[in-house]
Amino acid sequence: DQQVKQNSPSLSVQEGRISILNCDYTNSMFDYFLWYKKYPAEGPTFLISISSIKDKNEDGRFTVFLNKSAKHLSLHIVPSQPGDSAVYFCAASAYYNQGGKLIFGQGTELSVKP
Amino acid sequence: GEEVAQTPKHLVRGEGQKAKLYCAPIKGHSYVFWYQQVLKNEFKFLISFQNENVFDETGMPKERFSAKCLPNSPCSLEIQATKLEDSAVYFCASSQTETETQYFGPGTRLLVL
Repeated sequence: DQQVKQNSPSLSVQEGRISILNCDYTNSMFDYFLWYKKYPAEGPTFLISISSIKDKNEDGRFTVFLNKSAKHLSLHIVPSQPGDSAVYFCAASAYYNQGGKLIFGQGTELSVKP
Repeated sequence: GEEVAQTPKHLVRGEGQKAKLYCAPIKGHSYVFWYQQVLKNEFKFLISFQNENVFDETGMPKERFSAKCLPNSPCSLEIQATKLEDSAVYFCASSQTETETQYFGPGTRLLVL
């Protein structure tokens, strides 16, 4: 039962353009969503998060959009840089019902070409 | 410290041997979470602690796996009688509260032969 899904295993984008990574979820109890970036042989690094009471959160080049009715969130990176090349994981939590455990998507490997 | 520390980085065990992994959370963080990444991109929640108390153990296998967080010591995850399918990267994360962002350590790569 995959509660969080990232349907695109990979994405290739030209440097300077926008990268859009997508994530869908099925559990309506999720109330907090996060994006992590992961390089090989390292732990996930926190990027940005959004509470279910908001529909947008922005931090520098990174913006996360949440569409609760569609149970969909997306991460926009503008402009994309070669150093952004990594695997991006979407994660969700139902803090007030299931404690703080994170449910992860399968990841999307982003490649930003110079 | 400022980062979550995990030791060892790599661990190789023969089937049936014991494996013990350690995690030191960020100073001041009260919550510790353990996750298992079996395939390249699938994370599975195992257990969480609030200080030295088990907070949520719904992901822990019923047999062979145990975990502790004792005062003034790193947290530990122990696997008795390892099996081939226990081969994975085990990540520890810590947070100030159960609703705050979790920060991850570099992981311990366990290989069971």
